Amino acid sequence: DTGVSQDPRHKITKRGQNVTFRCDPISEHNRLYWYRQTLGQGPEFLTYFQNEAQLEKSRLLSDRFSAERPKGSFSTLEIQRTEQGDSAMYLCASSLAQGRDNEQFFGPGTRLTVL
Amino acid sequence: QQQVKQSPQSLIVQKGGISIINCAYENTAFDYFPWYQQFPGKGPALLIAIRPDVSEKKEGRFTISFNKSAKQFSLHIMDSQPGDSATYFCAASTISGSARQLTFGSGTQLTVLP
Repeated sequence: DTGVSQDPRHKITKRGQNVTFRCDPISEHNRLYWYRQTLGQGPEFLTYFQNEAQLEKSRLLSDRFSAERPKGSFSTLEIQRTEQGDSAMYLCASSLAQGRDNEQFFGPGTRLTVL
Repeated sequence: QQQVKQSPQSLIVQKGGISIINCAYENTAFDYFPWYQQFPGKGPALLIAIRPDVSEKKEGRFTISFNKSAKQFSLHIMDSQPGDSATYFCAASTISGSARQLTFGSGTQLTVLP
């Protein structure tokens, strides 16, 4: 499968626990994005990487959230001390840096439920 | 303001009919307007996109109409099929820093009845 993959697909956790999600982008893509999608809404941008550098973060990304892309390949998104409001679908996307439109290809998402 | 308003929230169309979804934006810096299709359990997938220098773009049964002066754009799905039943998101994009940042509408759940 040459698409964007995410793991796990579903995560149920108790409030206050830490969770970590993984995203594997399309192999030749050097840009990687994280979005959050709540029920009935469109995805909201969280952060993006070019290679291993995190270049932009949304104000939605509180200090409980941290994202890494250590070798410019896969990325992890960690949420510390989860809250019920963190329940959402977390989407990863990747794109090439070249090209005018930089089409983003999305993964299937990780659905987080915080009890 | 970075905001894209989408309507309707849900749409039911008979097979063979025309589905129309509308979006409006405020930020004149947006210069790329994609539409995404999302099936349950899947991530959004790019369907069709338009730039503001053209008023219409057609790909198969899907057409985007763009009105720059009104800051509105719409997706038309001709000869709608049950397989088109999905959630559709409009988006608007501008270069932020060095990358395109997408701002999505709230989505339209389309149901095409057989």
